[in-house]
Amino acid sequence: NAGVMQNPRHLVRRRGQEARLRCSPMKGHSHVYWYRQLPEEGLKFMVYLQKENIIDESGMPKERFSAEFPKEGPSILRIQQVVRGDSAAYFCASSPEGAAKNIQYFGAGTRLSVL
Amino acid sequence: AQSVTQLGSHVSVSEGALVLLRCNYSSSVPPYLFWYVQYPNQGLQLLLKYTSAATLVKGINGFEAEFKKSETSFHLTKPSAHMSDAAEYFCAVSDTGYSTLTFGKGTMLLVSP
Repeated sequence: NAGVMQNPRHLVRRRGQEARLRCSPMKGHSHVYWYRQLPEEGLKFMVYLQKENIIDESGMPKERFSAEFPKEGPSILRIQQVVRGDSAAYFCASSPEGAAKNIQYFGAGTRLSVL
Repeated sequence: AQSVTQLGSHVSVSEGALVLLRCNYSSSVPPYLFWYVQYPNQGLQLLLKYTSAATLVKGINGFEAEFKKSETSFHLTKPSAHMSDAAEYFCAVSDTGYSTLTFGKGTMLLVSP
């Protein structure tokens, strides 16, 4: 059973470009969470999605950031017009239904560098 | 609002010594508590969790943690450190399942021979 898969592992963008980060949850998981890790900081929650629905986006910046989790395919975190302050590691986690629903499993992350 | 405080951004121990990583939390409702470990350039791996069952929780790699409600603490311990334990450790809290995690800033564990 493959774990949470994130790609790309490393992404370099110039200021003003768009960044698209992908996350495929573990098989059978229908809940996806995105977190951002800045240098010297812990992980900060960004958004929580279920299939085709955004459940909680209280941690998302109001502008330039969006997320989706379509019926088919991976979850996408999209950052438009990137700025240097967006440089960070972005982690996706997924959780299952049922008894283990409170456990989040993390991917290896996407490290975004903005030049 | 929930919060997590991890005392000490870096902890150094000798191989074979006791490991103690401190975590204090605040939560307005009974919490779920977690410890995750992160090796360089990797994602987070769950070490152990507390979800209102036994207050002493055993995890992987010989780690354990004790939930102390009166102290609002969930410290992580291991009797004897191994070189392979060197990593960054994160304490996290949530209030229910399907809930977002609030993380501490992490503690880097350094193990010397």
